[in-house]
Amino acid sequence: GESVGLHLPTLSVQEGDNSIINCAYSNSASDYFIWYKQESGKGPQFIIDIRSNMDKRQGQRVTVLLNKTVKHLSLQIAATQPGDSAVYFCAENAGRGTGNQFYFGTGTSLTVIP
Amino acid sequence: GAVVSQHPSWVICKSGTSVKIECRSLDFQATTMFWYRQFPKQSLMLMATSNEGSKATYEQGVEKDKFLINHASLTLSTLTVTSAHPEDSSFYICSAPETSGRVYNEQFFGPGTRLTVL
Repeated sequence: GESVGLHLPTLSVQEGDNSIINCAYSNSASDYFIWYKQESGKGPQFIIDIRSNMDKRQGQRVTVLLNKTVKHLSLQIAATQPGDSAVYFCAENAGRGTGNQFYFGTGTSLTVIP
Repeated sequence: GAVVSQHPSWVICKSGTSVKIECRSLDFQATTMFWYRQFPKQSLMLMATSNEGSKATYEQGVEKDKFLINHASLTLSTLTVTSAHPEDSSFYICSAPETSGRVYNEQFFGPGTRLTVL
């Protein structure tokens, strides 16, 4: 695959603080990216996506930033809540022309402290 | 959003047996589905791309004779783990893109199947 799975890094934040989760992607041809949230024992849930013609996209309480120069994505969560505790993955895609596969980054385990 | 289901959600089997996992797109058709494997506290690793009407394409290092994939219809893909061993114990997740003629398609994930091989 494009990225190798490693043991998850962790991030702990106080409830109400902002969280920033980072992701480095590996394929310079990737031009579509999605952030997923995964709770224990469940499949990934879509949070927000961004195409490579953008460098920022905002959703409800979440913002994704894309820096193509250094192949880096970040997910910002505003006013983090206990329900945000989960593992967060970025996934990269190089489009249907290459088979439409998504490859996942290492992931970050977020723990929100009440 | 579109819904993808998996069956079973959890299976325990003896070493040497084969296990079949189903992935269904419930409210849309999927000519392509993807199978992932996830070990505890690790990321999702893409195993293979399941193609309706043709052979699956496997990622490097994934044994196609061990992980048999059949995309029987536009709403069903199956993954069979043959001669399962304890090291095959993992969380298997499928996904399907909801294609609407766009270049970029959001992936919808199933809830996963936990395989435990004794």
